Amino acid sequence: DQQVKQNSPSLSVQEGRISILNCDYTNSMFDYFLWYKKYPAEGPTFLISISSIKDKNEDGRFTVFLNKSAKHLSLHIVPSQPGDSAVYFCAAISYSSASKIIFGSGTRLSIRP
Amino acid sequence: DSGVTQTPKHLITATGQRVTLRCSPRSGDLSVYWYQQSLDQGLQFLIQYYNGEERAKGNILERFSAQQFPDLHSELNLSSLELGDSALYFCASSASGRPTGELFFGEGSRLTVL
Repeated sequence: DQQVKQNSPSLSVQEGRISILNCDYTNSMFDYFLWYKKYPAEGPTFLISISSIKDKNEDGRFTVFLNKSAKHLSLHIVPSQPGDSAVYFCAAISYSSASKIIFGSGTRLSIRP
Repeated sequence: DSGVTQTPKHLITATGQRVTLRCSPRSGDLSVYWYQQSLDQGLQFLIQYYNGEERAKGNILERFSAQQFPDLHSELNLSSLELGDSALYFCASSASGRPTGELFFGEGSRLTVL
């Protein structure tokens, strides 16, 4: 059972435009959500997070939105830059479930010139 | 550089064999996590250790085992290997036993079972 789903395996966006990556989850008990970014031949790196009690968190060009009623979160990157081309993983934590961090399958973002 | 070191980076072996993957966490981090990433799959949580003790367990097969040593490095042992065990195995570390979200990942160990 995939508790965290990223239904778009890939996304192509023009440089300078907005990139929107989506993530859906099924467990309403998740307490915390995160986005990780992964370049080829490197491990994932933490990008941004949001607590389940908030609906928005912003860090520079990156904003994460959480819609708890829809069990949906999204990552907005504005403006998109070539260095943003990477695989983005959505992840979630439920502190009541032994603190396991559950990752989605990832979305490959390509920024075209 | 995340500060997490994984060895070996690449490993090719045959079915039925046993391998050991090693992870050195960031200096000062007490928790070590192991994740498996198969082709086009997400990161599957295997197991977490905190200061030498098993803290959480995920979808880890019985053929797999792990431990964390007093110096805090960790090893993931994979035995009776099958073709389906071919994957990228990531180790990550964090300062506390309770994940607040920010894990520091190594570059991974790519295992190929032929």
